[in-house]
Amino acid sequence: KQEVTQIPAALSVPEGENLVLNCSFTDSAIYNLQWFRQDPGKGLTSLLLIQSSQREQTSGRLNASLDKSSGRSTLYIAASQPGDSATYLCAVSITGTASKLTFGTGTRLQVTL
Amino acid sequence: NAGVTQTPKFQVLKTGQSMTLQCAQDMNHNSMYWYRQDPGMGLRLIYYSASEGTTDKGEVPNGYNVSRLNKREFSLRLESAAPSQTSVYFCASAFTGADTQYFGPGTRLTVL
Repeated sequence: KQEVTQIPAALSVPEGENLVLNCSFTDSAIYNLQWFRQDPGKGLTSLLLIQSSQREQTSGRLNASLDKSSGRSTLYIAASQPGDSATYLCAVSITGTASKLTFGTGTRLQVTL
Repeated sequence: NAGVTQTPKFQVLKTGQSMTLQCAQDMNHNSMYWYRQDPGMGLRLIYYSASEGTTDKGEVPNGYNVSRLNKREFSLRLESAAPSQTSVYFCASAFTGADTQYFGPGTRLTVL
């Protein structure tokens, strides 16, 4: 059974710092990996999706990497801002049709002024 | 374009009561999903529907039933609510074969 772990569970950093969030998964036979953002009391917003054949994806200040062989992904946030404060979730999919996602427990990020 | 909508936003039930959570999407997606989110456990898939007229169990289906009413709507029913079903429920949708799922705002359910 696929298990997804995210470390740390919570993180507080001052504004402007670069930071890395970690995600690990136990079964490397994945179809893709996604990073989501969740604001308090809200739904999830997809940030980045990495196909299993890719090594990384970038969007603005966000960069996600994938190492299937070691079962790891990182989300790098450059020059963090208070607006980045949210919970970040990673999820892996093992099939391309009716993709069923297995989620990690998330990292709660707070960026302070 | 409303995306994925869910009703109600909040609900309190007593043990043994029944209710249906509603979900609708206006993006012409084929696949729809129901998840629950509990503290410290991430989101877990309850049921999903790959296309209109089909439904399948996810990781935690016990105590729930679903109906894919049409392409737009996918409902989740609790026949006899239990305190263990206290959770936040999210509906999501996607094009079959595409991988980005779009999530609704969630329904916060408390069972006393």
